[in-house]
Amino acid sequence: ETGVTQSPTHLIKTRGQQVTLRCSSQSGHNTVSWYQQALGQGPQFIFQYYREEENGRGNFPPRFSGLQFPNYSSELNVNALELDDSALYLCASSSTGQGLKTQYFGPGTRLLVL
Amino acid sequence: GDSVTQMEGPVTLSEEAFLTINCTYTATGYPSLFWYVQYPGEGLQLLLKATKADDKGSNKGFEATYRKETTSFHLEKGSVQVSDSAVYFCALNPSNFGNEKLTFGTGTRLTIIP
Repeated sequence: ETGVTQSPTHLIKTRGQQVTLRCSSQSGHNTVSWYQQALGQGPQFIFQYYREEENGRGNFPPRFSGLQFPNYSSELNVNALELDDSALYLCASSSTGQGLKTQYFGPGTRLLVL
Repeated sequence: GDSVTQMEGPVTLSEEAFLTINCTYTATGYPSLFWYVQYPGEGLQLLLKATKADDKGSNKGFEATYRKETTSFHLEKGSVQVSDSAVYFCALNPSNFGNEKLTFGTGTRLTIIP
């Protein structure tokens, strides 16, 4: 069984640029959630995608956007990068159906904005 | 809104010592509770979970009991090893079903010295 994978592992951008981060969900999982983890903090929920549609959003501005594809992989796009966007971006996948769905995390993409 | 409060770190213990990391939560309804672990340079790994009051989650010698009366989910291990050095996050899902967002605490860094 393949776990959650993310690319790239590291990225350096400058203020004002745009970035796209990618996530492949675990086999059998059709829901993807994105989190931002600033240095020394816990992860903060950005949004979740299910059946290619946004299914819940945290307190992040519209310049954070996403996509989910028919194979359940997902992208996180951030426009007009700011210095405070420097963080570890984590993707988590989970399944649907009855009962609690545990979220399984990828290794993350570390973004540095200069 | 929902929130998770974790014991301030960092925590430093000698090998074979007893570990407790405190976690309390605020939530409406009946949340599910999780402990995730983050090793250096990696994403989050699920350590254990509990979905209802008095449930005990356990894994790799770690245990945590869901206490509704004290709104707590403290993590314990009887004898820690150097390999347990990591950052530990307590988290809640606001329900015991579905795929809702996780709310995390700020994390507790644990260092075990030989």
